[in-house]
Amino acid sequence: DQQVKQNSPSLSVQEGRISILNCDYTNSMFDYFLWYKKYPAEGPTFLISISSIKDKNEDGRFTVFLNKSAKHLSLHIVPSQPGDSAVYFCAANTDNFNKFYFGSGTKLNVKP
Amino acid sequence: DTGVSQDPRHKITKRGQNVTFRCDPISEHNRLYWYRQTLGQGPEFLTYFQNEAQLEKSRLLSDRFSAERPKGSFSTLEIQRTEQGDSAMYLCASSMRLTSGTGELFFGEGSRLTVL
Repeated sequence: DQQVKQNSPSLSVQEGRISILNCDYTNSMFDYFLWYKKYPAEGPTFLISISSIKDKNEDGRFTVFLNKSAKHLSLHIVPSQPGDSAVYFCAANTDNFNKFYFGSGTKLNVKP
Repeated sequence: DTGVSQDPRHKITKRGQNVTFRCDPISEHNRLYWYRQTLGQGPEFLTYFQNEAQLEKSRLLSDRFSAERPKGSFSTLEIQRTEQGDSAMYLCASSMRLTSGTGELFFGEGSRLTVL
């Protein structure tokens, strides 16, 4: 059962513009959400997280928005840079932090 | 570097052979996870440990798979009688279990298994 879904396998954006990556989830028990970035031949690296008590969290060029009623979160990257080209995974878990459920990823390509 | 380290980075084996992967987590982390990732998919949970106790196993983890974390430090993941369907990237991650606040996973670079 795919509890976390990323319906866009790829996204191409021009350098300097905004990148918006989307993620949907089905389990209303999820209360902690994360975004990871993965380069080829490397493990995923943590990017930014958000707790369900918030609807927005910002860290530099990266902002995550959470819409609990729609069970939807998004990652905004502004401005996008070529070095941001990678696969982005969203992940979710519950208060117990027992395991994290991951989406299938969105490959972002930022064109110079 | 005190991140999560995995060994070997790449393993090629013939079907039916046994393979073992090792993971050294971040030293102060008490939780250790194994995930598996195949092409075009996100990481899938296999199992996790809190200290030396294996607290949960996915139904993906058949009886050919066994994981250990002796003394709550490093962990090993063994796959017996490998099958071609076992070909994947095996990711180890660690985290610090907190009573509250963030508890994100820190991943190693993965061990890629190719079963011929």
